[in-house]
Amino acid sequence: EIVLTQSPGTLSLSPGERATLSCRASQSVRSSYLVWYQQKAGQAPRLLIYGASSRATGIPDRFSGSGSGTDFTLTISRLEPEDFAVYYCQQYGSSVFTFGPGTKVDIK
Amino acid sequence: EVQLVESGGGLVQPGGSLRLSCAASGFTFTSYSMNWVRQAPGKGLEWVANIKQDGSEKYYVDSVKGRFTISRDNAKNSLYLQMNSLRDEDTAVYYCTREGYQLLGNGYYYYMDVWGKGTTVTVSS
Repeated sequence: EIVLTQSPGTLSLSPGERATLSCRASQSVRSSYLVWYQQKAGQAPRLLIYGASSRATGIPDRFSGSGSGTDFTLTISRLEPEDFAVYYCQQYGSSVFTFGPGTKVDIK
Repeated sequence: EVQLVESGGGLVQPGGSLRLSCAASGFTFTSYSMNWVRQAPGKGLEWVANIKQDGSEKYYVDSVKGRFTISRDNAKNSLYLQMNSLRDEDTAVYYCTREGYQLLGNGYYYYMDVWGKGTTVTVSS
């Protein structure tokens, strides 16, 4: 079973700053199966990035994903007020999905 | 509009049963695998179960195997989760999700691209 670890647990930043979120897998993950979601308080999660680096429909280009193997990164180039939320990475394998514990991006 | 609407949540005693439903609309239901994902209060996301398009294959997280059953009625565009022998730790918001996919070379991308708003299950005496 692949375990995903996300760091940091909480990231305190100001609007306009750059956010770099890490997702590390216990074993190699196919890049095509690495996904990122955003969840705002009281809402369902929203798909952000699939295939490690492809933005979902309607996602602004300030969001980007990268990485391969066991190390993946979600970058928000310039934080907007609406970006303060919890971000989860997820991997898919053999019809089983695994989520990371999440990174909370809050306002400094 | 593509939409998933969950129902059936509520308060149930430990050891009890509950059946969740998810009504799908705005897309061809039979073309997609579907999932249940849950989130305990103040915690992260946990995938619970998956069912393929025709219902022939079903997969579960270890913690619910033998207790939960995922099913679908393609004629009614509906997904279900039968939950038996409920435990305190099953308390969560349960989300119905669509498993989106895209062809990539000789394989596919998979992701959860549509989520319902969730239904709350509370297991407590």
